[in-house]
Amino acid sequence: AQSVTQLDSHVSVSEGTPVLLRCNYSSSYSPSLFWYVQHPNKGLQLLLKYTSAATLVKGINGFEAEFKKSETSFHLTKPSAHMSDAAEYFCVVSERRNYGQNFVFGPGTRLSVLP
Amino acid sequence: GAVVSQHPSWVICKSGTSVKIECRSLDFQATTMFWYRQFPKQSLMLMATSNEGSKATYEQGVEKDKFLINHASLTLSTLTVTSAHPEDSSFYICSARVTGSFYNEQFFGPGTRLTVL
Repeated sequence: AQSVTQLDSHVSVSEGTPVLLRCNYSSSYSPSLFWYVQHPNKGLQLLLKYTSAATLVKGINGFEAEFKKSETSFHLTKPSAHMSDAAEYFCVVSERRNYGQNFVFGPGTRLSVLP
Repeated sequence: GAVVSQHPSWVICKSGTSVKIECRSLDFQATTMFWYRQFPKQSLMLMATSNEGSKATYEQGVEKDKFLINHASLTLSTLTVTSAHPEDSSFYICSARVTGSFYNEQFFGPGTRLTVL
């Protein structure tokens, strides 16, 4: 079965500095990978997705992620953090089931942005 | 495009009562919808997969008689929490997959906050 590890439960950065949120996955085949963001008491918004095309994926709000098969990683980065980036971030792998494909969520990383 | 709505956005009920939550895909057809549960400061846990016109598939440990799912049309799935108890208090989120989607992307609703007194 697929699984997702987000190595940091909490990351704190200063506004204007780079952001790195780490994600590692396990999968027995080429996965689809996603990053979602969740602001407090809100639903999830898709930041970006990897679906076996380009390994460097660009998303919304300046975020990007690089798929590295050899490292089984899909880390999320942003060159310069903004206060509005403070939220919970989830790395997700698509899991194949007998009756279709489902999402497996990582535990989440809370990003704090300091002024 | 690809908007998913949930109703209600929050609900407070007494212990022992039943609560129905609706999940709608507003501008696309969704053969498959998913129901997740999220406890405070935790990740989303898949409860069940709902397929239009057939019985839902529940994850291990989720009581199907307690969490009734109905997916009667290509744009609507409902989750009914029967005989709710305080431990059922949680944030319930649904998602929908576009019928025929190649990339398996799910679109999430805004969630429903359930508080059982």
